[in-house]
Amino acid sequence: AQSVTQPDIHITVSEGASLELRCNYSYGATPYLFWYVQSPGQGLQLLLKYFSGDTLVQGIKGFEAEFKRSQSSFNLRKPSVHWSDAAEYFCAVGAVGNEKLTFGTGTRLTIIP
Amino acid sequence: DGGITQSPKYLFRKEGQNVTLSCEQNLNHDAMYWYRQDPGQGLRLIYYSQIVNDFQKGDIAEGYSVSREKKESFPLTVTSAQKNPTAFYLCASSNPGEGYSNQPQHFGDGTRLSIL
Repeated sequence: AQSVTQPDIHITVSEGASLELRCNYSYGATPYLFWYVQSPGQGLQLLLKYFSGDTLVQGIKGFEAEFKRSQSSFNLRKPSVHWSDAAEYFCAVGAVGNEKLTFGTGTRLTIIP
Repeated sequence: DGGITQSPKYLFRKEGQNVTLSCEQNLNHDAMYWYRQDPGQGLRLIYYSQIVNDFQKGDIAEGYSVSREKKESFPLTVTSAQKNPTAFYLCASSNPGEGYSNQPQHFGDGTRLSIL
């Protein structure tokens, strides 16, 4: 069965600093990987996705993520965060033939001035 | 603009009462999903439907029921059998391509259900 681990429950960074959110997955074959962002009281918005090909994927709002098969990771990065990036971030894994996405438990990002 | 509409935004349930959460999409997507979100637990799948008049249980279906009579609608009923219904409920849809997970899921803005 597929699974996702987001080891950091809460991260605080200063505005303008770089950001890396960790995601580790467990799946026997090549997974489909996603990052979503959720503002308080809102639904989820897709930031980026990886299906195949180039392991460095670019997303919206200046985010990028790198798929590392050897480490079973798909970490999300941003070179310089803005106060508006404060939200909760979810990593998810899917696969061909599996109708369900499995979500991690989320990382809450706080931005300090 | 196309999207997913969930209503109401806030809902209150009395003991022994069934309540129904609405989810409508105008994206012409085949697949629709219901998730429950609790603090610190991420999203858990309740039910999903890949096609009209067909649906499957997810990981936590007990105490919930759904119907899929129209492509654009996938209402969720929280029955009195669900003993801990207080949560944030999210509806999502996707347009399956090569395997259903090939298409990212679009989400509504959620319904927060509380017990009176």
